[in-house]
Amino acid sequence: SYELTQPPSVSVSAGQTAIITCSGDKLRNKYACWYQQKPGQSPVLVIYQNSKRPSGIPERFSGSNSGNTATLTISGTQAKDEADYYCQTWDSSNVVFGGGTKLTVL
Amino acid sequence: VQLVESGGGLVQPGGSLRLSCAASEFTFSSYWMHWVRQAPGKGLVWVSRIKTDGSSVSYADSVKGRFTISRDNAKNTLYLQMNSLRAEDTALYYCVRDSGITDTTLDYWGQGTLVTVSS
Repeated sequence: SYELTQPPSVSVSAGQTAIITCSGDKLRNKYACWYQQKPGQSPVLVIYQNSKRPSGIPERFSGSNSGNTATLTISGTQAKDEADYYCQTWDSSNVVFGGGTKLTVL
Repeated sequence: VQLVESGGGLVQPGGSLRLSCAASEFTFSSYWMHWVRQAPGKGLVWVSRIKTDGSSVSYADSVKGRFTISRDNAKNTLYLQMNSLRAEDTALYYCVRDSGITDTTLDYWGQGTLVTVSS
């Protein structure tokens, strides 16, 4: 079965750029989405089709997908961006999530 | 868009539960729908999906043969029938809308309903 691999944790200083990666075999041939989940809350879609932002998502959130890696970039990271982030794609009629990355804002 | 799950609770191993998800503020019959679960302190795991008219369904291997997804478009309601429940099915179950954008994009999530399988 298809797998997506994320680093368990990423730390970033407030105001700096956070980069969260998501690796999967030939991921460049698929679309990747990213979800943000804060403690006690439901996930929120922050990036879809690799790099598009839903309405209401700040411009500091961006995404890319090349090679075997999709990347979520948060520019000018704020304290309120501290959350778990999950990548997701689609393979053989199944939805696949990465294991999640806990973003800590120092 | 509103998605409100119900039906969770405590059930013994081997037991059954039926989850419901009441959808409102959008044309429910036009969207594929999913169930996604999250065990306590763990990550998101996809469970099942259903096509707009219910004619196509798919399941994660871990629930295949035990869970059944269905929908009633007249009642704007999504269901998940869960049989032969196991301890590892303990999780918060989310009802999720598929935006319909290329591939799968899960654009709206409910608040979830908690299922606990324990003796």
